[in-house]
Amino acid sequence: DADVTQTPRNRITKTGKRIMLECSQTKGHDRMYWYRQDPGLGLRLIYYSFDVKDINKGEISDGYSVSRQAQAKFSLSLESAIPNQTALYFCATSAPLDGETQYFGPGTRLLVL
Amino acid sequence: EDKVVQSPLSLVVHEGDTVTLNCSYEVTNFRSLLWYKQEKKAPTFLFMLTSSGIEKKSGRLSSILDKKELFSILNITATQTGDSAVYLCAGLRQNYGGSQGNLIFGKGTKLSVKP
Repeated sequence: DADVTQTPRNRITKTGKRIMLECSQTKGHDRMYWYRQDPGLGLRLIYYSFDVKDINKGEISDGYSVSRQAQAKFSLSLESAIPNQTALYFCATSAPLDGETQYFGPGTRLLVL
Repeated sequence: EDKVVQSPLSLVVHEGDTVTLNCSYEVTNFRSLLWYKQEKKAPTFLFMLTSSGIEKKSGRLSSILDKKELFSILNITATQTGDSAVYLCAGLRQNYGGSQGNLIFGKGTKLSVKP
């Protein structure tokens, strides 16, 4: 079983709709991250959380919000989706005792029409 | 502004060739540099480099970090078609107080290995 899972894996939505992407992990890591990946731009950090009570903005947080419901769950929301949020979204986890390596989920491919 | 720059952006080689991928970085409170391999799915971890001048090896892959010149290289010897992927380099920034910061990713190098 995968250690980091994301749902849904693919999603098509319309401009203005609210959408939530979910991430769950069984690695027991405290730290979780949301990235988006666009062709030619690499991976960019949206939000990250170092524990349940900690939420931090990344470099491209505008238009997104997150919720850390539990140590194992970190959700990313698009309150009102727009076409330039079409991208591949990755969740990742890490832990200091694990060499701070970030482990990635399989990704969610989002298309906003 | 923190940045990580990889070169070349794309590379086409033939099986058996040796390739060197480059990564330069400017990261505030730099702690480590990480290399990932990404095929048509999520990135998978290759190496984390924290100390300068110490080569890390895994099979045909090796990597080294130069903290004075702020760069790292990833070498792949005797390339195979299965090495075709995007290779991502990322600088790990350490927050004040010593806790882990976040990764700053480069745009990646797309490697294509022809039979």
